[in-house]
Amino acid sequence: AQSVSQHNHHVILSEAASLELGCNYSYGGTVNLFWYVQYPGQHLQLLLKYFSGDPLVKGIKGFEAEFIKSKFSFNLRKPSVQWSDTAEYFCAVNARSGGGADGLTFGKGTHLIIQP
Amino acid sequence: AAGVIQSPRHLIKEKRETATLKCYPIPRHDTVYWYQQGPGQDPQFLISFYEKMQSDKGSIPDRFSAQQFSDYHSELNMSSLELGDSALYFCASSPYGTDETQYFGPGTRLLVL
Repeated sequence: AQSVSQHNHHVILSEAASLELGCNYSYGGTVNLFWYVQYPGQHLQLLLKYFSGDPLVKGIKGFEAEFIKSKFSFNLRKPSVQWSDTAEYFCAVNARSGGGADGLTFGKGTHLIIQP
Repeated sequence: AAGVIQSPRHLIKEKRETATLKCYPIPRHDTVYWYQQGPGQDPQFLISFYEKMQSDKGSIPDRFSAQQFSDYHSELNMSSLELGDSALYFCASSPYGTDETQYFGPGTRLLVL
């Protein structure tokens, strides 16, 4: 079974600051990696994903993440945050099955607050 | 673009009652997943279906059952509701074999009194 660890449960930044949210996973096989964002009162939206290929992936809203296989990590980054980035961020993994019906295992989430 | 549709969006039930939640996947998505998110918690995977067959099983209580129908929509049936079942229930869908990304619906907020 997989497990996901997000290092920071609460992060407070000022606008224009740089962001890095840590995510480590534990699994012996090949995984798919995701970052989802959940704005207050809303559903989970996909920020970005990694299946294979270039370990540096770019997502929506200026976010990017780097898969480092040797460290079992998939950290999320953004060079300059905005007030509208205030939300809950979840890292998630599932085993790559070749078809795709495996449930996601989520981290506990990081509550990001951006101060104007 | 069309998204995952869930109904109802809000539901209030008494203890020991039953509830049925419905999920309509994105068109041409044949795989459906159910998740439960308690207050301030991360989503927990319950169960998934592909082509009307159960595909993967997570932490779904025995009081809950689910199925997928020929039009690919899915229903989550919850019986003998408990206070602890109060949560946000998300459905997600994906196109099997071509893209393993799960796209989430808006959720059903269930309150058990």
